[in-house]
Amino acid sequence: AQSVSQHNHHVILSEAASLELGCNYSYGGTVNLFWYVQYPGQHLQLLLKYFSGDPLVKGIKGFEAEFIKSKFSFNLRKPSVQWSDTAEYFCAVMGYSSASKIIFGSGTRLSIRP
Amino acid sequence: GAGVSQSPRYKVAKRGQDVALRCDPISGHVSLFWYQQALGQGPEFLTYFQNEAQLDKSGLPSDRFFAERPEGSVSTLKIQRTQQEDSAVYLCASSGGQRNEKLFFGSGTQLSVL
Repeated sequence: AQSVSQHNHHVILSEAASLELGCNYSYGGTVNLFWYVQYPGQHLQLLLKYFSGDPLVKGIKGFEAEFIKSKFSFNLRKPSVQWSDTAEYFCAVMGYSSASKIIFGSGTRLSIRP
Repeated sequence: GAGVSQSPRYKVAKRGQDVALRCDPISGHVSLFWYQQALGQGPEFLTYFQNEAQLDKSGLPSDRFFAERPEGSVSTLKIQRTQQEDSAVYLCASSGGQRNEKLFFGSGTQLSVL
């Protein structure tokens, strides 16, 4: 069965600090991977995705993530965070079949000190 | 607006009452997902439709939960004989393609069972 594990429940950083949020998945096959973000008071929205090709994917607002197949990981990174990055971040996995469901992790709350 | 619309926004039910939650996806979107999100948790998969076909209902917690999408557009999630543990935010998401490269989420329905 598919599952996603996010190691950090709450991360607190100062502005300009570097960010890395961990995500590991379990799935017995080819996967597609996502990071979704929920800013305070807003809907969940897509930050970035990996479907195929270059395992280093870039998303909106300077975020990037690297798919490491041997480690079953898809960690999210940003070199320098801003106060506006305060949000909840969710990693998600989907099997390659078009009939596959999308499974989300439990989320990481990111708080940025101005 | 052109986004995913869910109604009602808030629902308070007495234990044992039946409730129906509505989702209007973005027009023309093929895929529709329902998720349950408890406080402080990630979205938990409930069920998935492609057009009117319910491809996966493995996440429905019990036979009290039922979802339909009869004409391949609007979907309704029905919960019979609600219990306190059903209290959560119910999220609907839609996607334009079968590959589900990007989910568009609604604001959710916050269900409180007293």
